Amino acid sequence: DAGVIQSPRHEVTEMGQEVTLRCKLISGHNSLFWYRQTMMRGLELLIYFNNNVPIDDSGMPEDRFSAKMPNASFSTLKIQPSEPRDSAVYFCASKRTVEEKLFFGSGTQLSVL
Amino acid sequence: QQQVKQSPQSLIVQKGGISIINCAYENTAFDYFPWYQQFPGKGPALLIAIRPDVSEKKEGRFTISFNKSAKQFSLHIMDSQPGDSATYFCALGQGGATNKLIFGTGTLLAVQP
Repeated sequence: DAGVIQSPRHEVTEMGQEVTLRCKLISGHNSLFWYRQTMMRGLELLIYFNNNVPIDDSGMPEDRFSAKMPNASFSTLKIQPSEPRDSAVYFCASKRTVEEKLFFGSGTQLSVL
Repeated sequence: QQQVKQSPQSLIVQKGGISIINCAYENTAFDYFPWYQQFPGKGPALLIAIRPDVSEKKEGRFTISFNKSAKQFSLHIMDSQPGDSATYFCALGQGGATNKLIFGTGTLLAVQP
């Protein structure tokens, strides 16, 4: 099992640019979570999906953030336009809906200059 | 508003000692209490978890103690080893349709040889 795969591992961009983060779920998992990790705020849940349907997006900080699941195994998190305060490590995680154990990817380190 | 309060923020323990990390919560609707371990450059990984119907769970050197009336739970690492040096997160989970995890702010543990 390859685990949750995130790309890119590192992203450096300039303020105002569009950023797209990608995530491939573990085969057989049907729940997908996007978290953001910063020193100040720890791990914050941004949004999660069950069976490709967004269930709770209350953690999405602003309209500049959007997330999609175009199919059962893939998700994107887009920031447009990006700002320096968006700099953080972004994790996606997946699981089977009926189970509690959450599997995290290795994260995308985003730096917005 | 932080739903779970984790302490301490950082901890230094000598090899062979006991590491203790505490978490407190308010909402009694939560029914799943995991601890995740994160190494630098990696995503968090499930270490051990407990449900409120038991007061303690032990897996190897790792023990969760749960105090339902006080709404507190803690992680004990016995015979701490340098390889245990990592960031530890407690989390709150709720079964059913919500099925998401709310994480504490993390504890950076350093085990000195």
